[in-house]
Parts: sequence; structure tokens; C-alpha cells
Amino acid sequence: KNQVEQSPQSLIILEGKNCTLQCNYTVSPFSNLRWYKQDTGRGPVSLTIMTFSENTKSNGRYTATLDADTKQSSLHITASQLSDSASYICVVSARSDYKLSFGAGTTVTVRA
Amino acid sequence: DAGVTQSPTHLIKTRGQQVTLRCSPKSGHDTVSWYQQALGQGPQFIFQYYEEEERQRGNFPDRFSGHQFPNYSSELNVNALLLGDSALYLCASSLGGAGGYEQYFGPGTRLTVT
Repeated sequence: KNQVEQSPQSLIILEGKNCTLQCNYTVSPFSNLRWYKQDTGRGPVSLTIMTFSENTKSNGRYTATLDADTKQSSLHITASQLSDSASYICVVSARSDYKLSFGAGTTVTVRA
Repeated sequence: DAGVTQSPTHLIKTRGQQVTLRCSPKSGHDTVSWYQQALGQGPQFIFQYYEEEERQRGNFPDRFSGHQFPNYSSELNVNALLLGDSALYLCASSLGGAGGYEQYFGPGTRLTVT
């Protein structure tokens, strides 16, 4: 069964600080990995999408890394802002499969 | 360029009732996927529609059914509602399939079953 596990489940950081979220997956054969940001009660919004050959991708203050050999990804948030408070979901797609495997998400709370 | 839209925003139903949720995909997209997201959980895949047919289905009972119209919009129907069906229902659209293409999510419909 394809699985996506995220850690930590939640974290609290002070405004201006950095943080890193982790994602481990067993999805195979791998197609791509996405990170989404989901504000409470809203639909997820895509931050990055990486294929097998990509090791890192940035979107503003968000930087995602991918190690396809160890099946691990991370999302680094730099200089956090209050608006970064949200759930961050890791989503992995298997090749030739229409379904996406979602992690449970990491809830990030940024405090002033 | 309109994004993915869903209606209604919120809905309250009673156990045993039936509900229909609607989704209009992003302009130019032809594929619609539906997800159920319980509080504090990641979205769970219900099914995907392409060319007016159900192409793939997740682990959901037959009480969950759907439809895609020629204009690519879609409906999700849930019969014989249970308390456990209370969740945020997300619609996502893409072009040609979910695996290799970007999915854009709508704002969701919050369903409460009492």
C-alpha cells in the first residue's frame, strides 16, 4: 500500500524563525511529489512539485528538497510570517496511477 | 481565468438524507477529482472523472456516486448520509489526469451531518 507519512504532526515557531517539515513515502513507482499549503477550512494550494530528477525547488520563502533514493522530502520555510500558519500537506503520485497519496499534514503555527 | 469553484460552501443534513455537491473545474481542465477530508486529516481520494466517466475510485462505498457533464463540471452525490460523512469535500481539476499533472483545488464544501 502506498503511504505518505509526515512529521512533525504540528509545530509552533516564532515569527521570523525558520522551520523544516519532513515527508517520507513508500509510493512506487514514483512520479512526482508535491507540497500543498492549506489554510483552515480552505482548499489546498500548490507550493512546489518535483519529479524524480529534481533535488530542490523553491517558491519564495518555501524550499522543497527531494531524495528519491531514500524516498524523503522536506519543506523548509525561511523567515516565517504569521500568514504561514497553515497545514502543509505532502502529496505523492505514482507513475501510471491517477490517484494521489496524501500525507496527514503538518500544522504550523507562527506566533508574533 | 476562473479557478475551481464549488457549491454550496456549507451544508447541514440529517442522517439518512441525500446530498449533491457541485464543482466547476478551472478553465481548460477536463478532469475532476473528489476528495473527502475529515477534521485534522489529509484528503482521501473518492473518485476521478474524465470524459464523463469514472476513471478511478478510492475506497468509498457505493453510497458515493458522481457524474461529469459535457462542460466538464461534476457532481458528487452521497446517499443515506451517516454521521461519519461529515467532512470537507474538496474538488480538484487537472488536465488529462492526476498523476503527472498539476491539480488545482477548490475551496471545498463543508458538510455537517446531524
